Amino acid sequence: GAVVSQHPSRVICKSGTSVKIECRSLDFQATTMFWYRQFPKQSLMLMATSNEGSKATYEQGVEKDKFLINHASLTLSTLTVTSAHPEDSSFYICSARDGTASEKLFFGSGTQLSVL
Amino acid sequence: GDSVTQMEGPVTLSEEAFLTINCTYTATGYPSLFWYVQYPGEGLQLLLKATKADDKGSNKGFEATYRKETTSFHLEKGSVQVSDSAVYFCALNSPAGNKLTFGGGTRVLVKP
Repeated sequence: GAVVSQHPSRVICKSGTSVKIECRSLDFQATTMFWYRQFPKQSLMLMATSNEGSKATYEQGVEKDKFLINHASLTLSTLTVTSAHPEDSSFYICSARDGTASEKLFFGSGTQLSVL
Repeated sequence: GDSVTQMEGPVTLSEEAFLTINCTYTATGYPSLFWYVQYPGEGLQLLLKATKADDKGSNKGFEATYRKETTSFHLEKGSVQVSDSAVYFCALNSPAGNKLTFGGGTRVLVKP
């Protein structure tokens, strides 16, 4: 079946540094990718929606300048957490929508970010 | 706005026990409803879905019925296995927003 690869699975960084998370669709073209954030014991919260070749659409309350999303190709989207702070520590998950008629949605395995 | 509420876990069961995970929702219009499962170390996978009232989604022995009158989509399995240990997420897709809204997830642990 279709696979979405998310990397890294776990990252620890110092406060003030930037971290990039990659999301790749391995065997399909993803016209749309979604980035979610999950706090412990809470729901997955949609952060932004990105379409290939255009700017991402951010959900209310999500800082565009802090969470930079790039969707430069049909198989790759990146989320960069800039100037990370401890409150950015969270579990980030990407998902990709298959651009064919099936329109199915596939999820990455997530990235646990810990900011010290 | 749209919201999904599901029972908190963890839920600990013995093999062959009956599993129910409650899920209720609030949405505008007539959403599609989903259950996703996340096995340890893996991404979320679609388990089953229902797109209209009274539809029953089923897969791998799991079932859930779209109940519009009670705005619920409870997940059930008659006899769980150790391999069913995972985190289960209820979600809805509102036609207006075309995006998934998730519940908080329920961790299920099945012991031999």
